[in-house]
Amino acid sequence: DAMVIQNPRYQVTQFGKPVTLSCSQTLNHNVMYWYQQKSSQAPKLLFHYYDKDFNNEADTPDNFQSRRPNTSFCFLDIRSPGLGDAAMYLCATSREGMGQETQYFGPGTRLLVL
Amino acid sequence: GIQVEQSPPDLILQEGANSTLRCNFSDSVNNLQWFHQNPWGQLINLFYIPSGTKQNGRLSATTVATERYSLLYISSSQTTDSGVYFCAVESWGGSQGNLIFGKGTKLSVKP
Repeated sequence: DAMVIQNPRYQVTQFGKPVTLSCSQTLNHNVMYWYQQKSSQAPKLLFHYYDKDFNNEADTPDNFQSRRPNTSFCFLDIRSPGLGDAAMYLCATSREGMGQETQYFGPGTRLLVL
Repeated sequence: GIQVEQSPPDLILQEGANSTLRCNFSDSVNNLQWFHQNPWGQLINLFYIPSGTKQNGRLSATTVATERYSLLYISSSQTTDSGVYFCAVESWGGSQGNLIFGKGTKLSVKP
């Protein structure tokens, strides 16, 4: 089945130690998104790639970076995780990214910072 | 930016009961989706419904775009319906692809 896959499902890192979360998709969609969802809050968009074009939301901290080496894969890099970065990180895709279309979400990676 | 308000914030139902969840938004939208977030955190698409009415089994949704609200109906609820229901919108004047989520309705269905 075509889907959005995130690995790992749970990630534990230490304060200040760089960490990378991965997302892959078999939908062949042009757009990939990363959302952050803190406990008992709504998901919030960090950034997205329209094909190879990177689009950062204005209030996304510089500590968060992303890479998209090809259509299928997208990575979220947290350079120096703080305790406040503990959250669920959700990857999503959409076909064209021109609005008016469904976004499909992966199962998420829950990040714990010690 | 666009504001999204969901009500009620919490809802407890007995299995078999029906419910209506509401989503109000403050501006015109070109995208509205309803999601169910299960206890493991996965967001599951329920409906893409910027306007009109759709039905899928026990679930149905209606969006009245001119009045800026959407309703999600759950009939004959089951314990597996428990979780958080999110409404998310993308406004015509907003950043493309940026879904703005409401705070969700936490539903608990008791056996």
